[in-house]
Amino acid sequence: GAGVSQTPSNKVTEKGKYVELRCDPISGHTALYWYRQSLGQGPEFLIYFQGTGAADDSGLPNDRFFAVRPEGSVSTLKIQRTERGDSAVYLCASSLRGRPGANVLTFGAGSRLTVL
Amino acid sequence: GEDVEQSLFLSVREGDSSVINCTYTDSSSTYLYWYKQEPGAGLQLLTYIFSNMDMKQDQRLTVLLNKKDKHLSLRIADTQTGDSAIYFCAESMGYGGSQGNLIFGKGTKLSVKP
Repeated sequence: GAGVSQTPSNKVTEKGKYVELRCDPISGHTALYWYRQSLGQGPEFLIYFQGTGAADDSGLPNDRFFAVRPEGSVSTLKIQRTERGDSAVYLCASSLRGRPGANVLTFGAGSRLTVL
Repeated sequence: GEDVEQSLFLSVREGDSSVINCTYTDSSSTYLYWYKQEPGAGLQLLTYIFSNMDMKQDQRLTVLLNKKDKHLSLRIADTQTGDSAIYFCAESMGYGGSQGNLIFGKGTKLSVKP
């Protein structure tokens, strides 16, 4: 698509529930990133995919968080047993990483997650 | 570890220049970026600079990099009310395919008064 698309734009859930957030990157972008932005903070890196594989998942806070990208395009971030501290805006970005030059990320508008 | 720091707020009058500052700790940073975030919107890349440059100009935007002091600044000339937003400084390390992920600062909220 023309830009990075994220759904849902807003998600309200109860503590302990399971949540899935979806990201549709720019067509042809091989690299896909998930970041989390808490109120008043900058985006914090969660996980990076190159193609179908997670090349770096060092930012995932614990094993309740998991992400997949089975066909190298759309990605889903999955959060189990949600906690109130998981409330944040989850940002997805994509890029043509691997090319010479700057790693230019294009971000989606984000999915705002609120855990009650 | 990597750390990127910015002042949290800046207020200017319309028509004045704005200067947003950023410091970073990792001397192996290869590219430094400025992103803009408006309310309810995703991050928009404004500009970036390679670490072997000390200045880059793009229309109303001027980026200055002092690699010795690990200091980056973004100057916006003739600031307009539409420039009101949060500005994030970010760094990445490595080259080409080995480039690392972006590390962001907490952002500087720019308020432009008419």
